[in-house]
Parts: sequence; C-alpha cells; structure tokens
Amino acid sequence: KAGVTQTPRYLIKTRGQQVTLSCSPISGHRSVSWYQQTPGQGLQFLFEYFSETQRNKGNFPGRFSGRQFSNSRSEMNVSTLELGDSALYLCASSLVAGESHEQYFGPGTRLTVT
Amino acid sequence: GNSVTQMEGPVTLSEEAFLTINCTYTATGYPSLFWYVQYPGEGLQLLLKATKADDKGSNKGFEATYRKETTSFHLEKGSVQVSDSAVYFCALSSAGTYKYIFGTGTRLKVLA
Repeated sequence: KAGVTQTPRYLIKTRGQQVTLSCSPISGHRSVSWYQQTPGQGLQFLFEYFSETQRNKGNFPGRFSGRQFSNSRSEMNVSTLELGDSALYLCASSLVAGESHEQYFGPGTRLTVT
Repeated sequence: GNSVTQMEGPVTLSEEAFLTINCTYTATGYPSLFWYVQYPGEGLQLLLKATKADDKGSNKGFEATYRKETTSFHLEKGSVQVSDSAVYFCALSSAGTYKYIFGTGTRLKVLA
C-alpha cells in the first residue's frame, strides 16, 4: 500500500507570494493533519480534516488555510508569505479519527521563503 | 493545556550502549502516547504507542511503558546501533481534540 505522498517536495518562494501544498493520504485513510516543523518551534499542529470538515485548528494566523476533497486528498495554502514561514510542512493521515489511532507521515514539503 | 516535555539532546552513545530518552506529559484524562522517529530528510515514522495506563509499547528493540502515576513514557533500548541515529519525538493525543502534541525531539547519535 502506498504511503502518504506530498507534492512538491521542495519549493522556493518570495515574500508576499502565496503557495499551495498537496497531500495524498494512504488509501482508505479519511483523517488528514498538517504540521509545521522548524528548528526553533519544533512540530506545531496546523489543522486536521475528516470527511472534508476541519475539526481542529492550531494557533496560526488566517494566512494559513486548508481543505480536504471528497477523495480525502488535502491541500494547504499559505498567502502573503513571510520569511518566518520557511519550514518543513508535514502531512499525516490516519485511518479514522480518534486519539488511539496512529498517524502516518509523508516526507514533507520543504518551503523556503526568500 | 496539554503538553509534552522531552529531555534535551543531543544524546551521544557508543554502539551497544543502553538508551533512555525521558518523556513526561501533562494532559487531562487518559491520552494515548506515541514515540516517533525521524531520519534525516524524511518524515516521521511511528515507533511505538500505548493507549492506556501500564501498557507497554515495543518495536525494533525499543520499548516504553505508559506510567499514569508519574505521567511519563520514557523510551528505552537495551543495545543501540549506529542505524538508530535519528531524532526521536514523544507525542500525545487526547480524546476529542483530533490533534497530536509533540515534544521538541531528542537527537540521538550512536558512534561505532
């Protein structure tokens, strides 16, 4: 079974631009979560989607948004990019919602903002 | 709010040494606890998990026991290998929150 895939793997953008990252979960997984990983802040939760509904959101500005499609694929968008948005963005999928279910992570998208 | 605290790294060990990485948590109720590992240039991989008090998770020689009384989930391995060099993350997930909270990660370096 294929793992979680994320595209693109690397991205370089300029301040003020916007970016869209894509995540395809493991087949059959309906919950998709996004995290931002930086050396200074570690792994921070962005949001979680299940059946196209956002059920939880982390403490990030409104410039960060996401959505989930009917096939469970998910996208996240960052508008008006800032230098501090440079990070590894990780997507994780889970079979169902629930605290006991492990998440499976993709390789991440490395975003560099110049 | 919920939180996870991990020991500071990096941890440097010789091959075949005993490993302990401390993890303590703060949470209401009974969260599920996880250890993930991240190798350079990769995403996180689930190493082991425990969903209730006194559960022991184990995988690839690593183990951790869910201790409710001390709110801890320390990772241990009896004999580390060079290939275990990576960053290890402790995490928790609480009912109804639909999110995981991760510790800051502990970098392990194993020398041959």
